[in-house]
Amino acid sequence: GAVVSQHPSRVICKSGTSVKIECRSLDFQATTMFWYRQFPKQSLMLMATSNEGSKATYEQGVEKDKFLINHASLTLSTLTVTSAHPEDSSFYICSARGSAPGADTQYFGPGTRLTVL
Amino acid sequence: GQQLNQSPQSMFIQEGEDVSMNCTSSSIFNTWLWYKQDPGEGPVLLIALYKAGELTSNGRLTAQFGITRKDSFLNISASIPSDVGIYFCAGRVPDSWGKLQFGAGTQVVVTP
Repeated sequence: GAVVSQHPSRVICKSGTSVKIECRSLDFQATTMFWYRQFPKQSLMLMATSNEGSKATYEQGVEKDKFLINHASLTLSTLTVTSAHPEDSSFYICSARGSAPGADTQYFGPGTRLTVL
Repeated sequence: GQQLNQSPQSMFIQEGEDVSMNCTSSSIFNTWLWYKQDPGEGPVLLIALYKAGELTSNGRLTAQFGITRKDSFLNISASIPSDVGIYFCAGRVPDSWGKLQFGAGTQVVVTP
């Protein structure tokens, strides 16, 4: 199956700093990538949809100036959490949309655990 | 966003038993996906369904895309300890760049 990587897998930072998370599709080109946030024992919450070469589309209630998304190439999207606060601590997961004739699905990265002190 | 109705919320079963879970929605989907998530990891795709009525198997897993396009089920036969995890259904929202709506998840616990 398709492989999506995320880096870093874990990050601990001080309150007020910014953190960048990378999401890469390793063996396919992804014109669309998605960023999710997941709290313990809950389902995935979509934060934004990222299309290569254009501005990300954010879900209602997600601050676009706080969660900066850049999709610079067909294999890389980045999420930057700016001026992080403890309430931003969460599990962030990206996915990449794979597409082949008759087969459209999403493949997920392994996730990034962010802890803001 | 709006979630699919996934049930049951959790299941405690003995090794060797079969497991069944389902998802329903008030909306029509063109694609149904089933994922498994282990603690601290991202979801892993188990089965993808693209046509109403489609029945697809992946080893001991079988999933079906409901005829009405508003529901799907996943069966796991002869469960083993490594089947432990949270299973999520997801429906692809039409005309949305492939955006998915997720169920709340079914936690499966397998005891020896």
